[in-house]
Amino acid sequence: DVKVTQSSRYLVKRTGEKVFLECVQDMDHENMFWYRQDPGLGLRLIYFSYDVKMKEKGDIPEGYSVSREKKERFSLILESASTNQTSMYLCASSLGRELFFGEGSRLTVL
Amino acid sequence: GENVEQHPSTLSVQEGDSAVIKCTYSDSASNYFPWYKQELGKRPQLIIDIRSNVGEKKDQRIAVTLNKTAKHFSLHITETQPEDSAVYFCAATPDRGSTLGRLYFGRGTQLTVWP
Repeated sequence: DVKVTQSSRYLVKRTGEKVFLECVQDMDHENMFWYRQDPGLGLRLIYFSYDVKMKEKGDIPEGYSVSREKKERFSLILESASTNQTSMYLCASSLGRELFFGEGSRLTVL
Repeated sequence: GENVEQHPSTLSVQEGDSAVIKCTYSDSASNYFPWYKQELGKRPQLIIDIRSNVGEKKDQRIAVTLNKTAKHFSLHITETQPEDSAVYFCAATPDRGSTLGRLYFGRGTQLTVWP
């Protein structure tokens, strides 16, 4: 059974703070993704990675960066959190076409 | 890149009725069309998918149809039950080289099935 684990389910941060969202998958998947989910806007891709130390921008990369130092771990970084980054963040991994999602991290920026 | 439009954004049906959700896509090179279901408070999960060489696929009460000429595909749920209540997302991907695995999602449809 594929398991994608996100380190924090709920976070509350202040404007300007640096925020790390961690994601780990245990199925040796090559592909990993970070999505942002907002009501009425669906799932929007922030960044994705097809290999260690490799990253590609998605549709809304502004204000975010990522790190993939190990195959199983993909981190999303908010260098200076802003209130408009309050959202649900979903990590996913895939080997082929099917995405396996984590449970999500709900971030509130005050 | 690919643009996927999904309608309606909300859908309410009586238990036992059918529900249809429609999506259109823009990139004629798209060749894989999955549907994900997200129950309240849970993660999205793949429920059915279709490839471009197939016009229809069924799995018990759910079916997906694809019209490549018109660039649209639909999810059909028959004999709906309260546990079908969820947000449904359609997606498309051209699966070209480096974009393998990168899905373009619609905005989602909140389906509510009333008992």
